[in-house]
Amino acid sequence: KQEVTQIPAALSVPEGENLVLNCSFTDSAIYNLQWFRQDPGKGLTSLLLIQSSQREQTSGRLNASLDKSSGRSTLYIAASQPGDSATYLCAVWSGANNLFFGTGTRLTVIP
Amino acid sequence: EAQVTQNPRYLITVTGKKLTVTCSQNMNHEYMSWYRQDPGLGLRQIYYSMNVEVTDKGDVPEGYKVSRKEKRNFPLILESPSPNQTSLYFCASSFLLNTGELFFGEGSRLTVL
Repeated sequence: KQEVTQIPAALSVPEGENLVLNCSFTDSAIYNLQWFRQDPGKGLTSLLLIQSSQREQTSGRLNASLDKSSGRSTLYIAASQPGDSATYLCAVWSGANNLFFGTGTRLTVIP
Repeated sequence: EAQVTQNPRYLITVTGKKLTVTCSQNMNHEYMSWYRQDPGLGLRQIYYSMNVEVTDKGDVPEGYKVSRKEKRNFPLILESPSPNQTSLYFCASSFLLNTGELFFGEGSRLTVL
């Protein structure tokens, strides 16, 4: 069974710093990987979707990379802002209908 | 505006009283799914549907039912709720299974006393 791990569970950085969030998965046979943002008590907002044939995707200050062979994805956030504070989740589609979520990294950007 | 809408957003009920959480999407998506989110356990899939009249179990289907009579709607039914079903529930939809971007509703916080 696919296992998705996100380390660290929590991260605090001062405003303006660039940062990297990590996601690792055990089975490299994935269809795609998606990064989400979740604010407290709210739904998940899709940030980036990387298909299995792609190496990276970019949206504004966000850049996500995918290395299937090593079972890793990173989400790079440039010039962090207090509004980036949230929990970031990665999820992988693996198998016929199996979407596996990590437990997330809670990010706090300190003004 | 493209969205997935869940109702109710908050609900407190008692053990054994049947309830339905509705989910509707306006993006003509074929794939819809229900998840529950619990502290320390992350998001777990309850049921999913690949199209009208096609539903299947996810990881934690016990105590839940679903139906997909129309493409846009995918209600979650708790026939006899129990306290261990107290959780935050999310509905999601996608145009394409496996390769499509998944869109989530705002969530429904359910408390069963």
